[in-house]
Amino acid sequence: DVKVTQSSRYLVKRTGEKVFLECVQDMDHENMFWYRQDPGLGLRLIYFSYDVKMKEKGDIPEGYSVSREKKERFSLILESASTNQTSMYLCASSLPVNTEAFFGQGTRLTVV
Amino acid sequence: GENVEQHPSTLSVQEGDSAVIKCTYSDSASNYFPWYKQELGKGPQLIIDIRSNVGEKKDQRIAVTLNKTAKHFSLHITETQPEDSAVYFCAAKWAGSYQLTFGKGTKLSVIP
Repeated sequence: DVKVTQSSRYLVKRTGEKVFLECVQDMDHENMFWYRQDPGLGLRLIYFSYDVKMKEKGDIPEGYSVSREKKERFSLILESASTNQTSMYLCASSLPVNTEAFFGQGTRLTVV
Repeated sequence: GENVEQHPSTLSVQEGDSAVIKCTYSDSASNYFPWYKQELGKGPQLIIDIRSNVGEKKDQRIAVTLNKTAKHFSLHITETQPEDSAVYFCAAKWAGSYQLTFGKGTKLSVIP
């Protein structure tokens, strides 16, 4: 069974903290993505990676960075967490061509 | 970039009735149109997809239609059941892009 696993289901962090969200996929997919999901706004792309050490900005990259040192792992980093980054974060992976994107279960991050 | 509009934002139907969700896209170069279902507490999961060389695709009670001229596509669920209650997202992707652009979602409630 294919799997995208996010390291935490729920996180509570303080304003100003550096936050790491981890995602691992076991499907040998080239592409990996980080989305943010907010009510009424749908899924918005933060960053994506099409290869190891490669990254591209999505629609809302401000305040975030990413790291992909290994093919199976894609990390989202909040350099200095702020309350407006309280959200559900979803990781996904896919093959390079027009095929299904597989999502993790999500990490609900609360910044207080 | 691509823009995807999804309607309605909420939809309530009686069990056994049909449900239709509609999406429009802006980029005529888009050629891949998936639909995702997100149940409470889970990540989105692909339920059906269609490519631009096909006008309709069916999978049991679910069908998707694509009108390239009008740049819209629709999800049809027949004989709805309570377990169909979820949030549904449409998305679009063009051949030169890595990323999916999502609609804002439709919350479907099937009333027993």
